[in-house]
Amino acid sequence: SQQGEEDPQALSIQEGENATMNCSYKTSINNLQWYRQNSGRGLVHLILIRSNEREKHSGRLRVTLDTSKKSSSLLITASRAADTASYFCATDEGAQKLVFGQGTRLTINP
Amino acid sequence: SAVISQKPSRDICQRGTSLTIQCQVDSQVTMMFWYRQQPGQSLTLIATANQGSEATYESGFVIDKFPISRPNLTFSTLTVSNMSPEDSSIYLCSVDMTDFRGGYTFGSGTRLTVV
Repeated sequence: SQQGEEDPQALSIQEGENATMNCSYKTSINNLQWYRQNSGRGLVHLILIRSNEREKHSGRLRVTLDTSKKSSSLLITASRAADTASYFCATDEGAQKLVFGQGTRLTINP
Repeated sequence: SAVISQKPSRDICQRGTSLTIQCQVDSQVTMMFWYRQQPGQSLTLIATANQGSEATYESGFVIDKFPISRPNLTFSTLTVSNMSPEDSSIYLCSVDMTDFRGGYTFGSGTRLTVV
């Protein structure tokens, strides 16, 4: 079943701007992960945040997690054309089962 | 970290036929996961494949339609049987590398078009 809801569904910004995507989920989780998918190809893991963490950074990526609101956000700073892709959040419900959100299509305009 | 080789990368098939998708992992893993991504949609888990036992299917997916083999700890196949245009999707395999690199590793996907 699809648990994660992401917004916006699509986002178009200028190169150099920051992009923020949000994810909400419904049940308790072990961790929440963010993935990138370029042009319908395989997914690339970006970052994982555990349920006892509130914020995590990796390069230009910043992820927050609010378990009380069952929500997470992914911030990409100083966006580049190469960041154009679809971004998915995925929640680990346990038993090694990932449940994916609907995704955000990000377009970076030069 | 694991590397997954998935093939074919794409195929166009006639309705009523079957297609077998292969995934080879460069390290031994206990569980492999198969996902479907319908056009413009997110990923949906089809089944979890353990070596030496029957695959575990998610609601809405059945073994007769999506038989899975897992002959060893580095290889798995997913067959899409008796295909119809509704089966046109991207199919992806995945392994859990959370303990090693913080997330799952995915194959590059198989883009299937049924005509």
